[in-house]
Amino acid sequence: EDQVTQSPEALRLQEGESSSLNCSYTVSGLRGLFWYRQDPGKGPEFLFTLYSAGEEKEKERLKATLTKKESFLHITAPKPEDSATYLCAVQRKAAGNKLTFGGGTRVLVKP
Amino acid sequence: SAVISQKPSRDICQRGTSLTIQCQVDSQVTMMFWYRQQPGQSLTLIATANQGSEATYESGFVIDKFPISRPNLTFSTLTVSNMSPEDSSIYLCSVEGQGHYEQYFGPGTRLTVT
Repeated sequence: EDQVTQSPEALRLQEGESSSLNCSYTVSGLRGLFWYRQDPGKGPEFLFTLYSAGEEKEKERLKATLTKKESFLHITAPKPEDSATYLCAVQRKAAGNKLTFGGGTRVLVKP
Repeated sequence: SAVISQKPSRDICQRGTSLTIQCQVDSQVTMMFWYRQQPGQSLTLIATANQGSEATYESGFVIDKFPISRPNLTFSTLTVSNMSPEDSSIYLCSVEGQGHYEQYFGPGTRLTVT
């Protein structure tokens, strides 16, 4: 069974204090690993897809990386508007289009 | 990315009743997905809905409890039947990106069962 574990569960940062979120996964035949951002009361917003180990994607202050066992979401010099829950999900090649999500990391950036 | 809307955005229902949630997409899509997000938890796939065929349900979810319709390529409904307080959750629909594997989500329907 596919498993996705995110850590930490919650993260409090000062504005400008860079940090990383971890997503560890166990899946047989990874098709892709996905990062989403979810604001309170809203649906998840797609950020990145990573397909193979060594791949990196960047968007503004966010950078996602992938190894064979885990993915990191690096937040560089965060701003209060980066406060959200960040979700990681995996998709297995033999599981159709199903996304299996981790529990998320709640990030609070204080000014 | 597709623009997805859901109705209602929230509702409070009594136990034993049913609620139908609508999902509308601004473009034609082959597959639509329904997820549940229980309070304080992450998303769990309920079922995948293809136009013209029966929905495919994940383990732990059954058609009698969560019947799904997919009458055309831009619309789907999820019904939560014979509700109990344990059904209180956010229900989200999603669609797959054009030519890619990522999914785009609607704003969700927040359901409270009393």
